[in-house]
Amino acid sequence: GAVVSQHPSWVICKSGTSVKIECRSLDFQATTMFWYRQFPKQSLMLMATSNEGSKATYEQGVEKDKFLINHASLTLSTLTVTSAHPEDSSFYICSARDRVPSSLDEQFFGPGTRLTVL
Amino acid sequence: KNQVEQSPQSLIILEGKNCTLQCNYTVSPFSNLRWYKQDTGRGPVSLTIMTFSENTKSNGRYTATLDADTKQSSLHITASQLSDSASYICVVSARDKIIFGKGTRLHILP
Repeated sequence: GAVVSQHPSWVICKSGTSVKIECRSLDFQATTMFWYRQFPKQSLMLMATSNEGSKATYEQGVEKDKFLINHASLTLSTLTVTSAHPEDSSFYICSARDRVPSSLDEQFFGPGTRLTVL
Repeated sequence: KNQVEQSPQSLIILEGKNCTLQCNYTVSPFSNLRWYKQDTGRGPVSLTIMTFSENTKSNGRYTATLDADTKQSSLHITASQLSDSASYICVVSARDKIIFGKGTRLHILP
């Protein structure tokens, strides 16, 4: 089955530093990847849609200069949280859509990255 | 407005019992409906995917139903196990949007 990995699985950083999270599709090519944020006991909230070779599309209220997204290849998208603050502490999850379209248009989710900003 | 509402918000049952989770949606145009299981601190894992023409789909002890006329879906879990403790999320796809429900937190007690 389709597998999506994320690295790191958890990270602790000091306030003001930048953190990069990687999302990889391991056995398929993904033209589109999605980045979500999830706070405790809340549902996933879509932050941005990342298309290979083009600029990401951000949801309303998400600062594109703070959450930098790069989708340089068909198997890798990165999310960089710049100048992180404690309120950015959250669970970040990516998902990837297979390049080969199907009627189900399924997304495959990564295992998530727990970010804690001190 | 496209919305997905799940009930109950949380549920506690004894191991071995059955349970049913509900999902009502107002999403148009409807593309498909998926149920995911999310363990604490992990990413969601797909359980079932149903398109407009499908009424029932099973995956082991999980059985999902879909009534496209009333825009309702349910996820039935049979003979629950401790490992079923998780959040169950209903996700409905429209043409260009994916709408997540807030999930039902299921706790299985021994």
